[in-house]
Amino acid sequence: GAVVSQHPSRVICKSGTSVKIECRSLDFQATTMFWYRQFPKQSLMLMATSNEGSKATYEQGVEKDKFLINHASLTLSTLTVTSAHPEDSSFYICSARDYGRGTDTQYFGPGTRLTVL
Amino acid sequence: GNSVTQMEGPVTLSEEAFLTINCTYTATGYPSLFWYVQYPGEGLQLLLKATKADDKGSNKGFEATYRKETTSFHLEKGSVQVSDSAVYFCALTLKTSYDKVIFGPGTSLSVIP
Repeated sequence: GAVVSQHPSRVICKSGTSVKIECRSLDFQATTMFWYRQFPKQSLMLMATSNEGSKATYEQGVEKDKFLINHASLTLSTLTVTSAHPEDSSFYICSARDYGRGTDTQYFGPGTRLTVL
Repeated sequence: GNSVTQMEGPVTLSEEAFLTINCTYTATGYPSLFWYVQYPGEGLQLLLKATKADDKGSNKGFEATYRKETTSFHLEKGSVQVSDSAVYFCALTLKTSYDKVIFGPGTSLSVIP
């Protein structure tokens, strides 16, 4: 099946610093990618929809200036958590939408665990 | 609004027991339905899907049938293994331009030897 990677898998940073998380579709082009956040023992919450070459669409309640999303190519989307604080600690998961090969399916990355000290 | 409801967990079963995890949905139009599995510390993996009424998705011994009349997509497996221990998410997507995935709350399954 299609593969989506995320980097890094884990990151620990100090409060006030910025952290960038990459999401890559490895064997297909993805015009649309999604960023989710998951708190312990909870479901995934959609943060934003990332479209290649245009601005991301953020869900209600998600601060666009804090969670910067860039989808510069058909295989890469980045999420930057700016001026991170402990409450931003979470598991961040991206997904990429695969239209091709007779399918329309979202494939999820393995997730990035962010810990802000 | 559009939503997915799952049976509450955690569910604990003995190895080789029969598994059912109930899932019902509310949606405008005709959604596609999915089951995703999340193993401890990992991201989500697509387990199976169905895109229209009466379709049956199956994979790795798991099955689910898209029941439009009951708006359900229950997950079943005839004989669970310890390696099936994970969290299972029922989800849907709508036929919109972005196809956002709407997840259920997840059901934790523990299979004991």
